[in-house]
Amino acid sequence: ETGVTQSPTHLIKTRGQQVTLRCSSQSGHNTVSWYQQALGQGPQFIFQYYREEENGRGNFPPRFSGLQFPNYSSELNVNALELDDSALYLCASSLDPLSTDTQYFGPGTRLTVL
Amino acid sequence: RKEVEQDPGPFNVPEGATVAFNCTYSNSASQSFFWYRQDCRKEPKLLMSVYSSGNEDGRFTAQLNRASQYISLLIRDSKLSDSATYLCVVNTLLSGGYNKLIFGAGTRLAVHP
Repeated sequence: ETGVTQSPTHLIKTRGQQVTLRCSSQSGHNTVSWYQQALGQGPQFIFQYYREEENGRGNFPPRFSGLQFPNYSSELNVNALELDDSALYLCASSLDPLSTDTQYFGPGTRLTVL
Repeated sequence: RKEVEQDPGPFNVPEGATVAFNCTYSNSASQSFFWYRQDCRKEPKLLMSVYSSGNEDGRFTAQLNRASQYISLLIRDSKLSDSATYLCVVNTLLSGGYNKLIFGAGTRLAVHP
């Protein structure tokens, strides 16, 4: 096990609603990255948080936002949900933003938007 | 062009077969390279890192060719338990001063008796 936890495991929402997903990073890791994995695709980078600030962002609209807390845990918020937001959402922790080591993934949250 | 491209698959092989996965990446500044394994509806798990000198872990051998920006994974003596999706992953340092993982779409492997 990686020591990265996520909640909830599964979630069902309807279009237009808002959702918050949570992640606790591995002990000693101060950087958290979030990924979206649609069915049949590889994970896509959403953004990264370091020292409670967004450190980098992929091609996702502003309705995808996040937070990082002093204990390095993190939240992903998605507003105005769309059907295409249905996916597995993964968080991954790493030692720091410049680490060339791998990132360690949590078990994911499976979001279904109806 | 995708940043990381893999064989589309799926690969259907009998137990005991040798199977090779190929992957190419487009950013020559990429710093580190990995193969992840992902079981159905689970999170990706690190299978092995990939080095230019080549590295082996039991039945698995990975190779990196930086000049041709090519990564490979060889699985010998396939087992039923090797059935999964294999993701080629590249860690790239971006101009904003952070690394991000870039994933291929994955190649599905099905090993049958």
